[in-house]
Amino acid sequence: DTGVSQDPRHKITKRGQNVTFRCDPISEHNRLYWYRQTLGQGPEFLTYFQNEAQLEKSRLLSDRFSAERPKGSFSTLEIQRTEQGDSAMYLCASSFSGGAGETQYFGPGTRLLVL
Amino acid sequence: RKEVEQDPGPFNVPEGATVAFNCTYSNSASQSFFWYRQDCRKEPKLLMSVYSSGNEDGRFTAQLNRASQYISLLIRDSKLSDSATYLCVVILRSNDYKLSFGAGTTVTVRA
Repeated sequence: DTGVSQDPRHKITKRGQNVTFRCDPISEHNRLYWYRQTLGQGPEFLTYFQNEAQLEKSRLLSDRFSAERPKGSFSTLEIQRTEQGDSAMYLCASSFSGGAGETQYFGPGTRLLVL
Repeated sequence: RKEVEQDPGPFNVPEGATVAFNCTYSNSASQSFFWYRQDCRKEPKLLMSVYSSGNEDGRFTAQLNRASQYISLLIRDSKLSDSATYLCVVILRSNDYKLSFGAGTTVTVRA
């Protein structure tokens, strides 16, 4: 399967713990995005990378959240001191920078539950 | 006001029916528009891009009305497999890449 992959698919943690998610984009894609989706809502943008550079962060991304893409390939999203409000589906997407309207392909998501 | 708004539905239609729904967006300078489909507990998948002149892909027709800042999706001859949430997606600003999603319109096709 050459699509976007994410790991783990599910994570249950206790409030206050740290969690880290991984995303592997489609191999030739230079752009990588993180979104968060809560029940009944559409995904909301968190941050994006072009190659290894993090070019934009949403105001949703508090200082407890950090994302990296060290070699311009896979990316990690870490949440420190998790809160119950962090419970959501975390979606990763990737695209190839081919101009306006380029298609973003989504991974299956990591479903986080904070108890 | 949300930047992308959709009628949440649900739209419950019989097989073979036609169903249509709209989405409005806030920024008149928006350039790129899409419909994504999301099945329950799955990731969004691109259904179709929406072009200025309107476009069709099989039983699906998308329209863009820039003057009124809305896009629409029409599904003809509905199939059971069309049951899903349809997400309206806009790139709100030029030179931007992030997608702005509506909350989704739920369609259920019944036998």
